[in-house]
Amino acid sequence: EAAVTQSPRNKVTVTGGNVTLSCRQTNSHNYMYWYRQDTGHGLRLIHYSYGAGNLQIGDVPDGYKATRTTQEDFFLLLELASPSQTSLYFCASRKRGDEQYFGPGTRLTVL
Amino acid sequence: GEQVEQRPPHLSVREGDSAVITCTYTDPNSYYFFWYKQEPGASLQLLMKVFSSTEINEGQGFTVLLNKKDKRLSLNLTAAHPGDSAAYFCAVRPSSSFSKLVFGQGTSLSVVP
Repeated sequence: EAAVTQSPRNKVTVTGGNVTLSCRQTNSHNYMYWYRQDTGHGLRLIHYSYGAGNLQIGDVPDGYKATRTTQEDFFLLLELASPSQTSLYFCASRKRGDEQYFGPGTRLTVL
Repeated sequence: GEQVEQRPPHLSVREGDSAVITCTYTDPNSYYFFWYKQEPGASLQLLMKVFSSTEINEGQGFTVLLNKKDKRLSLNLTAAHPGDSAAYFCAVRPSSSFSKLVFGQGTSLSVVP
């Protein structure tokens, strides 16, 4: 069973705050993804990565940075959080040719 | 790029009835499709993956149909039960990027006893 974990599970910050969301997968998967989920929009891709040190821009990257430090760890950074970034964030991993496996999600609230 | 439209956004059916969720996509060269289920407060779990070479796929209590001519993907839950109450998302792997998925907007299904 593919395993993807995320931390924290819940986070509250203020406008202008600095937030880091963490994702770890122990599946030896090459690909990792960050999505945000908002009602009426489904899941939208923020950033993704092919492997350690690699970063690819997704479909809604504005206001977000990401870094893949190892094959296992993928971080999403919000350096100046805004209320529009209040959302449910999912991390996922995938090996080549396979489906994506999702983490449990992080609920972020920006006041 | 690929766009995916999912309907309906909300669906309520009685236990034992069928429920149909439909996605239309724009890229005629898309060839890999997915349905995910998200139970309340939980993450997404894969329900089924479909290759474009197969038009009908059957799972436990549901059928997935792919109409490539109309660029339409549907999920048909037969004899729905309360445990099927969840959000369902279709996803399409576009031909322009084999690394990405484009998701539909989601359907919130409620099965009433």
